[in-house]
Amino acid sequence: SFELTQSPSVSVSPGQTASITCSGKRLGDKFVCWIHQRPGQPPVVVIYEDSKRPSGIPERFSGSNSGNTATLTISGTQSVDEGDYYCQSWDVSSSVVFGGGTKLTVL
Amino acid sequence: QLQLQESGPGLVKPSETLSLTCTVSGASISSRDYHWGWIRQPPGKGLEWIGSLLYGGSTYSHPSLKSRVTISLDASKNQFSLKLNSATAADTAVYYCTRDRASGSYYYSDSWGQGTLVTVSS
Repeated sequence: SFELTQSPSVSVSPGQTASITCSGKRLGDKFVCWIHQRPGQPPVVVIYEDSKRPSGIPERFSGSNSGNTATLTISGTQSVDEGDYYCQSWDVSSSVVFGGGTKLTVL
Repeated sequence: QLQLQESGPGLVKPSETLSLTCTVSGASISSRDYHWGWIRQPPGKGLEWIGSLLYGGSTYSHPSLKSRVTISLDASKNQFSLKLNSATAADTAVYYCTRDRASGSYYYSDSWGQGTLVTVSS
């Protein structure tokens, strides 16, 4: 079955760039979205179709996807960006698949 | 403005059916531009897709849950529902209803409800 793998945690200083990766077999052949969840809050999509930002999502969020790895980049990271980030993709045989999540800490 | 609100029992006994309803406001579930779905999150764990339904179209569900899941729409009430049979403690989770955009190559949930905790316990 299709699986997505994420690092458990990433730390970044305020104002710096955070990169969160998601890996899966031939992931670059599929579309990826990125989901942000603050503690106790429902998730919010911050990137869809690899690199598109929904309305209301700051420009500091960007995404890319190539080969076996998709990357979410947060430029000028702020404390409000803390929380869990999940990648998600779609596979015909496995249906909708989520990565295990990455906890972003802004120190 | 689109809003989704989950409702249903917060406590379900093992072996019984877990039933939830999502009430949609600000959009019509009869639109064929969107799927309507369910995602759950066990306490302290990650997200798990349950399934979705397109009005007048097909139902999709996670392979591991397919035999126990029923998703249905009630256009007259602008609601959709989830039924999960033979519930066990492993089904304890926060359940989110979602509006989903899907094509042959992509799938993502562009709107989420606030979520409702369902505990399976005797």
